[in-house]
Amino acid sequence: GENVEQHPSTLSVQEGDSAVIKCTYSDSASNYFPWYKQELGKRPQLIIDIRSNVGEKKDQRIAVTLNKTAKHFSLHITETQPEDSAVYFCAASIQAAGNKLTFGGGTRVLVKP
Amino acid sequence: SAVISQKPSRDICQRGTSLTIQCQVDSQVTMMFWYRQQPGQSLTLIATANQGSEATYESGFVIDKFPISRPNLTFSTLTVSNMSPEDSSIYLCSVDLSGSKGYNEQFFGPGTRLTVL
Repeated sequence: GENVEQHPSTLSVQEGDSAVIKCTYSDSASNYFPWYKQELGKRPQLIIDIRSNVGEKKDQRIAVTLNKTAKHFSLHITETQPEDSAVYFCAASIQAAGNKLTFGGGTRVLVKP
Repeated sequence: SAVISQKPSRDICQRGTSLTIQCQVDSQVTMMFWYRQQPGQSLTLIATANQGSEATYESGFVIDKFPISRPNLTFSTLTVSNMSPEDSSIYLCSVDLSGSKGYNEQFFGPGTRLTVL
């Protein structure tokens, strides 16, 4: 089955700096890659996603890139703010096979003011 | 997106007992899932709740331990049976929704925090 690795496990950045989280996946059939943000005590919240027919996607301060050949994808947060502090999870799935998500281990991001 | 609710939001249970968690969605959805999130860990898929048929379980999870019901397209239950302290986790349901982007996205319920003593 699918295996998703996520790095780093923790990331501390100064407010205003950029944060980058990287994930690799094992199943070349995976074609959907969402990112979730989970604040303490809250549910995971979908913040951005990318499908395998797209190499890059941007939404305000958040961007995701996908390299299908290398089987890795990354989340980029620019101009970080304290409210970006949370745990971020990447995931992968095969949408035609029921969209069962396999999650990475998570990255705890701390934005220091 | 949709409004997804879970009951209970949290519970403290004694070992050997069972707890049934409910998940309600405000619109009809085809795909519903149950995940487990152990303390400080990532999310792991337990099973896909299929409407009108038995749930499909992932490796490491069995129906006797985690029986699931899906009586209609807006509701599902997960039972954690014969609980032990190792079952202490957050249990989350999720639904697959077809949105304005033209493909399905998955959204999570608020979770049920279970503590087993």
